[in-house]
Amino acid sequence: AQKVTQAQTEISVVEKEDVTLDCVYETRDTTYYLFWYKQPPSGELVFLIRRNSFDEQNEISGRYSWNFQKSTSSFNFTITASQVVDSAVYFCALSKRNYGQNFVFGPGTRLSVLP
Amino acid sequence: DADVTQTPRNRITKTGKRIMLECSQTKGHDRMYWYRQDPGLGLRLIYYSFDVKDINKGEISDGYSVSRQAQAKFSLSLESAIPNQTALYFCATSAGAYEQYFGPGTRLTVT
Repeated sequence: AQKVTQAQTEISVVEKEDVTLDCVYETRDTTYYLFWYKQPPSGELVFLIRRNSFDEQNEISGRYSWNFQKSTSSFNFTITASQVVDSAVYFCALSKRNYGQNFVFGPGTRLSVLP
Repeated sequence: DADVTQTPRNRITKTGKRIMLECSQTKGHDRMYWYRQDPGLGLRLIYYSFDVKDINKGEISDGYSVSRQAQAKFSLSLESAIPNQTALYFCATSAGAYEQYFGPGTRLTVT
């Protein structure tokens, strides 16, 4: 069975601090995708990134960066120089690559960035 | 215009009433999904459909039914609404196992 764990339920930081959101996953599949989504207070779910299980390169997009480590089954998300607009619930998710019946979401981490 | 739309956006209904939530997408995706979100419980899958003739139950399908009227349309029905079905409902679409794109959500309250 597939499972995604986000151990941090809530995190609070002060603006301009760096923050890392942890994601640990379990799967027996050798090919899969990992994702991060953002849900701001307005409620919509915004796709941030997809990572293929074969591609362990880290990725940076502006203030966002993602660290994928297959050896520890982790796909962590770092926000550098956080801003108040980063306040949201962040979800990590996992899907099977070849037959995506299961698109499993983690429980989410609520990030509050204080001014 | 939004790629994934949901109607209605908000709905208040009474226990025992039948209600339908509708979802349409213009992304041309084959797969569509219905989720519910409750505070602190994340997203839970209700039903999913890989094409018009393929409907599958998710982890919490009891009390719900769905219809895939066309590739672009996927509706969720509550045959007899009960208060614990009060939640935020999301429709989503995907091209295969790639990322899902979500509608804006429907906030449903059952009194």
